[in-house]
Amino acid sequence: DIQMTQSPSSLSASVGDRVTITCRASQDISEFLAWFQQKPGKAPKSLIYGASSLQSGVPSKFSGSGSGTDFTLTISSLQPEDFATYYCQQYISYPPTFGQGTTVEIK
Amino acid sequence: EVHLEQSGAEVKKPGESLKISCKGSGYSFSNYWIGWLRQMPGKGLEWMGIIYSGDSTTRYSPSFRGQVTISADKSINTAHLQWSSLEASDTAIYYCARSRDRSGYPTYYFDYWGQGTLVSVSS
Repeated sequence: DIQMTQSPSSLSASVGDRVTITCRASQDISEFLAWFQQKPGKAPKSLIYGASSLQSGVPSKFSGSGSGTDFTLTISSLQPEDFATYYCQQYISYPPTFGQGTTVEIK
Repeated sequence: EVHLEQSGAEVKKPGESLKISCKGSGYSFSNYWIGWLRQMPGKGLEWMGIIYSGDSTTRYSPSFRGQVTISADKSINTAHLQWSSLEASDTAIYYCARSRDRSGYPTYYFDYWGQGTLVSVSS
C-alpha cells in the first residue's frame, strides 16, 4: 500500500494567516492526490482533486500543488470557518490511502 | 444537487448483525461507484470497499474483506454495508462517498460524501 504522510500533525494559526500543509507519498502518485476538510462532527468535504483542481463550489483561497511524491495545500487567508482537520488521499492505486490528518487550530 | 443520505445511528451488542444504508439522489446512481469508509473515534479515514451501482461489482480493502459485505439496489438508488456479527472494535462512524467510473474501474476519488452513520457496539 502507498503510505501518505502529512506534516505537521497540527498547527496553530491566526485569522488572516497563510497556512501550508504538506503531504508526502511513499511512491510516485503523479497528480492523483486529493485534499479533504473535516470539521468536528461533520463528514469530510472534498476541496481539491488532481493535486491542484478545485472541487466545484470550493473558494479560491484554497489551492493545491505538487506532483510525484510531494504535495502542498495552501489556505491563502485563514478564516474562522477554516479551522478544521485536513486530509490528503492518493487515488492512483488500490487501495486508496489517506494521510493521518493535519488539525488547524486557532492561535 | 448530488446528495447521499445515510441511515441513522445504531446501538448494538457484540454478536448482533447490522445493515446500514446510503441513498443517492441528484445524479445517475447506476453510473457511479459508492465507497464505504470508516473513521474510528478520534482517528483518521480508512477505505473499506466499493461497489458499482450499475452491476454490483465490488472491491474490498484487504483489511476488511470477509469482515463486512457491501451491496447495492439500483432500483432504489441505495447502497448497503452490513455485518453478520459485530464486535466492539466496529464502533466507528461509517461514511459512504461517491466515486466516478473510469472504464469499468473506480477512480477512488470521492467527490460527494454522506453525513455518516455512527455505529456503537457495546455489551
